[in-house]
Amino acid sequence: GAVVSQHPSRVICKSGTSVKIECRSLDFQATTMFWYRQFPKQSLMLMATSNEGSKATYEQGVEKDKFLINHASLTLSTLTVTSAHPEDSSFYICSAMEGGEPYNEQFFGPGTRLTVL
Amino acid sequence: QKEVEQNSGPLSVPEGAIASLNCTYSDRVSQSFFWYRQYSGKSPELIMSIYSNGDKEDGRFTAQLNKASQYVSLLIRDSQPSDSATYLCGRKKSSGDKLTFGTGTRLAVRP
Repeated sequence: GAVVSQHPSRVICKSGTSVKIECRSLDFQATTMFWYRQFPKQSLMLMATSNEGSKATYEQGVEKDKFLINHASLTLSTLTVTSAHPEDSSFYICSAMEGGEPYNEQFFGPGTRLTVL
Repeated sequence: QKEVEQNSGPLSVPEGAIASLNCTYSDRVSQSFFWYRQYSGKSPELIMSIYSNGDKEDGRFTAQLNKASQYVSLLIRDSQPSDSATYLCGRKKSSGDKLTFGTGTRLAVRP
């Protein structure tokens, strides 16, 4: 399957700081990228969907000013958690899709574990 | 009714047995179906995708889709302890649609 990378894999930061997470599709061009969050022992929760060159579409209840998403190219999307607080501590996972019928499979990055002190 | 439903388990099977994981979905328009495996603390890994009614086999895995019954399943033959994980069923209504997951079924393969 296709490879999606994420960086960093783990980050610990102080409350109030901003954290940027990068997601890259390594061997395909991702027309659409998705950002998920997962709390311990809970299901994946879709936060937002982004298409290259367009503004991201956020799911209900996700603050777009807090979780800034930039999908600047067909291989790179970034998620910035602004003014992070302890309740933002979670496992953030990106996913990328090449697009087009029937190749609409989504491949997940390895995830970024964020801990806000 | 949830859009995608799975039994949370745990489903416990002995090593070498066939593990059968089931998933139902609530609509008749869904086009694409996916099975992901997620180990504890890791991100999901795509195992199978299926788009047409019938069976699709890949190694020890077989996905079965029945759109009329709104049902998709995953069979794992010759189960191994390394197959112990949570299996997520997902569906899309169209290629541009977001992937909707079930809550996952936890599989435990006993040595």
